[in-house]
Amino acid sequence: DAKTTQPPSMDCAEGRAANLPCNHSTISGNEYVYWYRQIHSQGPQYIIHGLKNNETNEMASLIITEDRKSSTLILPHATLRDTAVYYCIVGGTQGGSEKLVFGKGTKLTVNP
Amino acid sequence: NAGVTQTPKFRILKIGQSMTLQCTQDMNHNYMYWYRQDPGMGLKLIYYSVGAGITDKGEVPNGYNVSRSTTEDFPLRLELAAPSQTSVYFCASTPRLAGEQFFGPGTRLTVL
Repeated sequence: DAKTTQPPSMDCAEGRAANLPCNHSTISGNEYVYWYRQIHSQGPQYIIHGLKNNETNEMASLIITEDRKSSTLILPHATLRDTAVYYCIVGGTQGGSEKLVFGKGTKLTVNP
Repeated sequence: NAGVTQTPKFRILKIGQSMTLQCTQDMNHNYMYWYRQDPGMGLKLIYYSVGAGITDKGEVPNGYNVSRSTTEDFPLRLELAAPSQTSVYFCASTPRLAGEQFFGPGTRLTVL
């Protein structure tokens, strides 16, 4: 089962910031928080990941709470092309490899 | 780089038939993964490999087999196709234990 909880859907106006929340209250100390997105039926696309500190790249920012039990993905200026399913994943290392457990994600719709 | 490529894009099988889904990556990544995605659901890990000659089971391995004879290729074998294996199959690779996974475009399989 997925270790994360996300709202099933969210809406955002084009040009505004999209803030996608994620709860991961059972996260352990060495587990990363990953965000991926999937547009239509394409392969998932990596967005960002972090362990403890907030992270930013050209696509998004990741804010992780101090207790690491929740996080927020921020798309600063959402466009119509950001409409997708966004997955928050806690990566667990087991057997020498990291295994990503995908939940159902959040369906983000960016409206014009 | 072509990244992660998968063939075929689409396939229809009859119950009991066998087939191999091909996955190739040209990024010299050690870690490779096979996922399946049922309609409206997140991805589930079938098998993974941490390097040539080393494979291990994921969350839903029953009905599938894999091999990893080279770094580049990670084929997924279905021996006796069943309707429950109707799904979209994604292959992914990553160069390191904790980091971005690169996904292929997927293979859409229907078993009738």
